[in-house]
Amino acid sequence: DTGVSQNPRHKITKRGQNVTFRCDPISEHNRLYWYRQTLGQGPEFLTYFQNEAQLEKSRLLSDRFSAERPKGSFSTLEIQRTEQGDSAMYLCASSLVGGGSSYNEQFFGPGTRLTVL
Amino acid sequence: DQQVKQNSPSLSVQEGRISILNCDYTNSMFDYFLWYKKYPAEGPTFLISISSIKDKNEDGRFTVFLNKSAKHLSLHIVPSQPGDSAVYFCAASVQNYGQNFVFGPGTRLSVLP
Repeated sequence: DTGVSQNPRHKITKRGQNVTFRCDPISEHNRLYWYRQTLGQGPEFLTYFQNEAQLEKSRLLSDRFSAERPKGSFSTLEIQRTEQGDSAMYLCASSLVGGGSSYNEQFFGPGTRLTVL
Repeated sequence: DQQVKQNSPSLSVQEGRISILNCDYTNSMFDYFLWYKKYPAEGPTFLISISSIKDKNEDGRFTVFLNKSAKHLSLHIVPSQPGDSAVYFCAASVQNYGQNFVFGPGTRLSVLP
């Protein structure tokens, strides 16, 4: 399977603990995005990378959140001192930008469901 | 302040009939629009897109219509099949602004056999 993969698929943690999620994009894709989705809502943009550079961060990404893509391949999203409001589905997507096309389709992974008790 | 709205949380359609899902947006800078489909326990899957230079794009049973003056787009599925039952998200982006998608809240489509 050469799609976007995310690990773990589910994470249950206690308030105040740190959690880290991993995303492996489609191998030739140069852009990687993180979204958060809560019940009854569509995905909300958090941040994205072009290769290893983090180019944009949403206002939703508080200081407790940090994302990395150290070698321009996989990415990690860490949440420190988790709060109950962090409970959501965290989605990763990747795309290939360039090759003469200005528009890009984002391919999503299955997500990591975080529950903060 | 929702920039992309899908005012129908759910829609039920008989198999073989047409499904019409609607989406409205407020940001006139949006120039690229997409529809994604999502099954339970899976990530969203790309369905069809349209750029603002067009008013219609067709792919098999799926057609997206864009009315820029009304800031409205719709997805037509014809004929509808039970396998189309899923949550459909409308998304929009500004080409030269990172192409980060703004999603609507979704419409749950149920196609009844």
